[in-house]
Amino acid sequence: DTEVTQTPKHLVMGMTNKKSLKCEQHMGHRAMYWYKQKAKKPPELMFVYSYEKLSINESVPSRFSPECPNSSLLNLHLHALQPEDSALYLCASSPRQGGEGYTFGSGTRLTVV
Amino acid sequence: GIQVEQSPPDLILQEGANSTLRCNFSDSVNNLQWFHQNPWGQLINLFYIPSGTKQNGRLSATTVATERYSLLYISSSQTTDSGVYFCAVSISGNNRLAFGKGNQVVVIP
Repeated sequence: DTEVTQTPKHLVMGMTNKKSLKCEQHMGHRAMYWYKQKAKKPPELMFVYSYEKLSINESVPSRFSPECPNSSLLNLHLHALQPEDSALYLCASSPRQGGEGYTFGSGTRLTVV
Repeated sequence: GIQVEQSPPDLILQEGANSTLRCNFSDSVNNLQWFHQNPWGQLINLFYIPSGTKQNGRLSATTVATERYSLLYISSSQTTDSGVYFCAVSISGNNRLAFGKGNQVVVIP
């Protein structure tokens, strides 16, 4: 299995909702990442988990809360988002943090209304 | 932080043409990757190439680390090559991949 699977593919949520994005990989990769991508911009790093421990938090607002329950799963919990948080959220994994072999999921297109 | 500049920002190609995309970076890197993002948003890893030359089918890449640039060559372009090509780098001791702004490529039949 050489894929990173993200669910859901599309999500529309209100500013008072709580939702979660999910990411799963079965390649044995020990680093997992969340990126945010706005239209016509490059991906921006949000969080990095290495061996299930939070390694990097790029000063992301607390309304975004990551979780890594095990080495195959990565969640992003969303609460009280703003319309400007609407974006494509990409999950990625690699064999080790910062190394080669980044594999991206197909992303979740999030719209906050 | 490290600066990554990609050129040209936009490129329109006739199917079958060849092209070269360039990535300049401001510091020594220990990681350089090229990605292709298709029109549906999927990012595909093309090459891990902090130095040297690699080829994969119609695509090849060369990184001259001492001169701080990398080139991605597309030969005999096809409409499926359309999309955005990103160069991403990181420096030793900093495991953050910094992405360039991308090269938007459109291949017309």
